[in-house]
Amino acid sequence: QQPVQSPQAVILREGEDAVINCSSSKALYSVHWYRQKHGEAPVFLMILLKGGEQKGHDKISASFNEKKQQSSLYLTASQLSYSGTYFCGTEWKYGGSQGNLIFGKGTKLSVKP
Amino acid sequence: EAQVTQNPRYLITVTGKKLTVTCSQNMNHEYMSWYRQDPGLGLRQIYYSMNVEVTDKGDVPEGYKVSRKEKRNFPLILESPSPNQTSLYFCASSTIRTGNQPQHFGDGTRLSIL
Repeated sequence: QQPVQSPQAVILREGEDAVINCSSSKALYSVHWYRQKHGEAPVFLMILLKGGEQKGHDKISASFNEKKQQSSLYLTASQLSYSGTYFCGTEWKYGGSQGNLIFGKGTKLSVKP
Repeated sequence: EAQVTQNPRYLITVTGKKLTVTCSQNMNHEYMSWYRQDPGLGLRQIYYSMNVEVTDKGDVPEGYKVSRKEKRNFPLILESPSPNQTSLYFCASSTIRTGNQPQHFGDGTRLSIL
């Protein structure tokens, strides 16, 4: 079952902020975030393991609410290079599938000058 | 250089002609996975493997086969391809021994089935 990402798409001006959400119907062990440029392979951004954990990557950070089975990706002061499609990948806590990632449908982010 | 290598990168073929997309990784990873990507549908998992000789179905396994006879290789087989299998395919691998490691993706294979 794919996690649900929202919004599906967002358009920003350079310097604006954005939040991308990822929600799972199953209990999660971890959440991974990736960014993909058109036609290229997804590129790893960060992993969140514990409930409430926030990790940062330049001006991109994320949080993980284990209880709500949700994660959010925060992009601040967006740059043109942030454009792309962002995917969350969820690792379920139970069911013997630890290590396996299920990805959402993605959020397309466009940053305009 | 640590990498996941997929071949071919591009393929145009016809309905019913068996094809294999190879995937090889040089990082001694236990876990490997195949995804297909279609507009608006994200990365949907086809099959995955937690180790040699261990494979499991993902969300969209119909029409595909895989095998994991060696740790480094995880080929995707389309026995009788059909036009609805036209897609962009990604292979990925990661280690699960140490836990919580990122997945490494291949560059993708764009398949067109006429």
